[in-house]
Formats: sequence, structure tokens, C-alpha cells
Amino acid sequence: GAVVSQHPSWVICKSGTSVKIECRSLDFQATTMFWYRQFPKQSLMLMATSNEGSKATYEQGVEKDKFLINHASLTLSTLTVTSAHPEDSSFYICSARDPGTGRVNTEAFFGQGTRLTVV
Amino acid sequence: EDQVTQSPEALRLQEGESSSLNCSYTVSGLRGLFWYRQDPGKGPEFLFTLYSAGEEKEKERLKATLTKKESFLHITAPKPEDSATYLCAVQARTGGFKTIFGAGTRLFVKA
Repeated sequence: GAVVSQHPSWVICKSGTSVKIECRSLDFQATTMFWYRQFPKQSLMLMATSNEGSKATYEQGVEKDKFLINHASLTLSTLTVTSAHPEDSSFYICSARDPGTGRVNTEAFFGQGTRLTVV
Repeated sequence: EDQVTQSPEALRLQEGESSSLNCSYTVSGLRGLFWYRQDPGKGPEFLFTLYSAGEEKEKERLKATLTKKESFLHITAPKPEDSATYLCAVQARTGGFKTIFGAGTRLFVKA
């Protein structure tokens, strides 16, 4: 399957600082990437859909100014958590869909996730 | 509203004890139903995509089936390395490629 790389795998930051998480599609071009947040023993909650060359589409209840998404190229999307607070501590995961050739592929491939801890 | 419900929340099996995980879904026009495996502290790993009722897919000890209302992930003779959380997700034909996930079933296989 397609490979999606996420970096860093974990980060600890001080309250009030900003943190950037990168998501790269390594062997395909992804016009659309997705950002999820996952709390312990809970499922993935979609935060936003990242579209290459245009603004991200945020889910209801997700603060656009707090979670900045940039999808500047077909292989890279970034999520910046601005002015992070302890309640932002969570597991953040990105995914991307490989458009492939011929049949429309629908499944998404996920990065390894980033454990963010705000102290 | 599109929704995915998985049961049971947790399942404990002895090695070799076959069982099934359930995924019930409601979606306004199914584009695809997906099964993923997630290990602790990792991103989900893709397993299967099912597109229409009656479809079945197999991979090693896993077999996924689909009806119009639910999907099952059958695990035959599981091994301890099959222990993980199994996630079910759906995409509707409308709404782009947004994927809605269930809460998952945590599987524990004891040797």
C-alpha cells in the first residue's frame, strides 16, 4: 500500500508555544489529506480536510485559528497547533488517499501519528 | 447522519479460538467500508475495503464480509500477534472522501 510519513512521532512543548506536525505522502501525490485527533481508547475524530493549493475544510467545533493547516504541495501537509495548552495534548494522525490509476481508490493510508504533550 | 457502531468494545480470546467482530453502519449511499488495525501508539494500518453487499475479502487469518447494514471481521485461529484494536470506517458517496470511524474493538489474544 501507499506510504504516508508523519513527523515528529512525539513532541513535548511548553504551554503557549506552537508546534508543527508534518505529513508526507512518500510514493504518491495526494491532493487531499486528512487530520485526525484521537483520545485514549477512543476512535479517530476528523479535524479537517486539507486540500492542496486551497484552504482546509474544518469540522464543526474545530478552531481554525488554533489548528492551522497548510497543504502547499502534493506530497506535504502540515498541522500547526498554535498557542498550545495542556488540553491540546493528544494523538494527532494524518491520512492521505492515493488516487492511483484506473479504478478510483477510496481507502486512505495513515501516518504513524504524533503524540503531543503540552506541559 | 452517517454513523458507525462497533461491537464488542473489547474481546478476549484464547489462541486458536475463532470469533467475529461486528460493525453496524448507517450511511447515505455507501462508497466503501474499511477495516483497519491499530496497534498502541501507532497510526491505523489498512486491511480491507468492501464496496457492495455480499463482497468478501481475506488476508491470512482475517476475513471481512459486508451486508447492507453491517460488516463482520472474522478471525480464524487467532494468535497473540493479532492483538490490536480493529477499526471499522465508512465513506459516503457524497461528502468527498471523508471517512467516519467507529470506536473500535480491542482484541486481546492470550497464548
